[in-house]
Order: sequence, then structure tokens, then C-alpha cells
Amino acid sequence: ETGVTQTPRHLVMGMTNKKSLKCEQHLGHNAMYWYKQSAKKPLELMFVYNFKEQTENNSVPSRFSPECPNSSHLFLHLHTLQPEDSALYLCASSQRTSGWDEQYFGPGTRLTVT
Amino acid sequence: SQELEQSPQSLIVQEGKNLTINCTSSKTLYGLYWYKQKYGEGLIFLMMLQKGGEEKSHEKITAKLDEKKQQSSLHITASQPSHAGIYLCGAVPIAGSYQLTFGKGTKLSVIP
Repeated sequence: ETGVTQTPRHLVMGMTNKKSLKCEQHLGHNAMYWYKQSAKKPLELMFVYNFKEQTENNSVPSRFSPECPNSSHLFLHLHTLQPEDSALYLCASSQRTSGWDEQYFGPGTRLTVT
Repeated sequence: SQELEQSPQSLIVQEGKNLTINCTSSKTLYGLYWYKQKYGEGLIFLMMLQKGGEEKSHEKITAKLDEKKQQSSLHITASQPSHAGIYLCGAVPIAGSYQLTFGKGTKLSVIP
């Protein structure tokens, strides 16, 4: 398998549930990202990992908890979410955390919080 | 913070027609990415522009960055249904930064 994969593709969860989103990249990259895409809003960067170390947390609420066990895998753990957290969550990877290295995106997980 | 304005917000064209999408920044762009997104799916990299006046083409898509590096355009020649989707521009806010700022996107529909 090539590129960036994300599972699940769709997720419906209640506000009291705990779930996790998974991202895997097969490109040998060192940097991985989580983005949130809400309707009619620009894509928002949430977290950045470089060589498994978190280098950025863009004021994301603590109900979102990222985990990067190695350079190929990235998780987003979700708990006690709010309906406004419903969105498309995109994972991306790049060779380095440099604006000159293009980011490759996964297909996304469509999350609905009920 | 840097903001990117894309225009138009949506566009419907007849197959075979040419079209242009614009991306305007409130600040100087150090780099500008164009991505295409099928509805509800991930982003596909199209092109990246770094230098003022730079122009790149891939198949029937041409992207330009103006000399002042505050505006970019994406031009599609002889549009096809396969060009339909959402086009997003993303800016590198400062030299070397990885924190891309994105526009809201332009939704393109191509009618056969």
C-alpha cells in the first residue's frame, strides 16, 4: 500500500464515547500532521509531529489527544467531544517540517458527533 | 496572521471552457501551494510556486504567482469533468515555515 491511509473513513460517536483515528504513511516521511476541515471554514492545522516529537499544538482542546509512536503512524484520540467537533479530519505527512516540502494528504475521516 | 481569499467561491462551467481561480493574500507569500480535493476526500498536490513571476504547468492546468507575491491564479484550459472538485490554495507564511495557511476553497463543477 502506498501514500497516506486513514481509518476509519467514517465515524459516528456520541458525546460520551472514546474513539481513535489512525493514520499511516508509507512514504518514509519524518513529519506528520493532523488537520481539521469544517464546513465553510479554511483547513485548520491541529498538531505537528517531527521525528515522533510534537512540535506544534495549535490551541487544540484537550479532548483531542494525539499520539505518534513512530514516524509512520499517527493517532488522534477523541473523548467527550462536542457536536461542533464534527468535521473531516485529515492526516498529512512530509519529508521534513519545512514549508518547501509538499505535504501528502490522506483521504480523511468524516467524524459526526451526536 | 495571514489570510487567503479565494475567488470565486464556486464556479460552474461547460466542458471545454477555460477558467481561472484566484488566490489573494493579505501579506507577501513565501510560497504558494495549489491542491485539489474531491468532495469529502483528501487533498491532491497540484503545484507549488516560490518565486515572483513564476509559472508552472501540468497537463491543462497552469498556475502563476505574481511579481509582488501576493496573488496567484490557477488556469484550466479546455475543462473536463475530471477537473471538477474543490481547489485550495495554501500559503507558506514565512520562509521555511511548515504551518500552511489555507483559503476556503473554490468549488468547480464541469457540466458535460
